[in-house]
This record gives sequence, structure tokens and C-alpha cells, in this order.
Amino acid sequence: AQTVTQSQPEMSVQEAETVTLSCTYDTSENNYYLFWYKQPPSRQMILVIRQEAYKQQNATENRFSVNFQKAAKSFSLKISDSQLGDTAMYFCAFMNPGGGNQFYFGTGTSLTVIP
Amino acid sequence: DSGVTQTPKHLITATGQRVTLRCSPRSGDLSVYWYQQSLDQGLQFLIQYYNGEERAKGNILERFSAQQFPDLHSELNLSSLELGDSALYFCASSDTINSAGYNEQFFGPGTRLTVL
Repeated sequence: AQTVTQSQPEMSVQEAETVTLSCTYDTSENNYYLFWYKQPPSRQMILVIRQEAYKQQNATENRFSVNFQKAAKSFSLKISDSQLGDTAMYFCAFMNPGGGNQFYFGTGTSLTVIP
Repeated sequence: DSGVTQTPKHLITATGQRVTLRCSPRSGDLSVYWYQQSLDQGLQFLIQYYNGEERAKGNILERFSAQQFPDLHSELNLSSLELGDSALYFCASSDTINSAGYNEQFFGPGTRLTVL
């Protein structure tokens, strides 16, 4: 079974600063995908960034980037130039397309951006 | 707006009751997934349907059941409700494999169930 662990229940960052959210996972699969989802107070699940395990290059989406360490099974999210709108719960998720395509989510990190 | 709709938005009921949550996938999406998000938890996969057939099962209780109808909408039935069933229930839909090589899931806004 796949497990996803987020060891930081809560974090805060000053506006315009950089913050890194941690995620580790456990799997015996070789082909999989990793995701970071944002859940603002509206509770909508918003895809932030995706990483294919077969790609060595770390994914980047504007102010969001990841540090993917496949051997260490680590997948951290870096948010640069933090904005007030980044305040939300952030979930790390794992998907194995060959194993049913469902997501396995971590327990989340609550991020607060302080003005 | 993801294109996935869920009704009702909120539902309050009592222990022992039965409720039905409804999900309409994006137009053309054949797969529907149900997830449960309890307080301060991540989403837990419950069950997946593909074109009317059950495709995968997660940690779904025997008191819970789901189905997908010919028009592809899905219903999640929760019976003999307990206080611990209070949660946000998400539906997601997906269709064909995207350019990245997987079936991208689009999440609905969720149904908040409160059991008193």
C-alpha cells in the first residue's frame, strides 16, 4: 500500500518570503505521479503542481516548485514570494496509474501567510 | 469551476439515518471517484466507478455503497450513520489519459455531511 506523510501540521511565513512544505511517501512502484493540492477555506481542491516520477527535472509552476528526490522518496513544495492568497491547506498526493488511478493523500499542512 | 457538480452542498442529519450524495461528472468523463475528508485529515479514497461498473475500492465501510447510472452521474449512499461519518465528501471525475500519461481527476466542490 502507498502511504504519504506530511510531518508539518502547521506552518507560517511572512508575505513575500519563501517557505518549503515537506512530504515523504512510501511505495514499491516505479511509475507514479506526485501532486501538491491546495485547499483554501472554500474547500475546493486546486491542483498546484505535478511531478512525473520518470522525470528527473523538478517541476515548476510560476512561484511554486518542487524538490523531488526519488531515492529518498521525498517531494517538497517550495513557495516563493508568498502571497496572502496562498493561505490554505496543502496536501501532498501520490498516484500510481497502474494501480487504479486513485489518489493517496497526506494529512495536510496548514499554511498561513502573515502580512 | 471544475465542471463537476455535487449536491447537496450541505447535509445535516441524525445518527442512524440514511443519506444519498449525488455527483455529476464533467461532460464526457466516464470515471467517478469518491473521497472522504474527515476533520483535519487528508482525503481518503472510497470507491471508483467507470462507465457504470465498479473499478476500484478503497477503505469504504460496508454501510456505504455507491453506483453510477447510465447517464454517468453517481450516487454515494451512506446508511446507519454515526457521528464519525461527519465529513466532507468529494467526488472527482476523469476521462482519457492526458498528455502527461495519466487520467487527470477534476474535483467537485464537495458535500459537507454533519451527523448529529
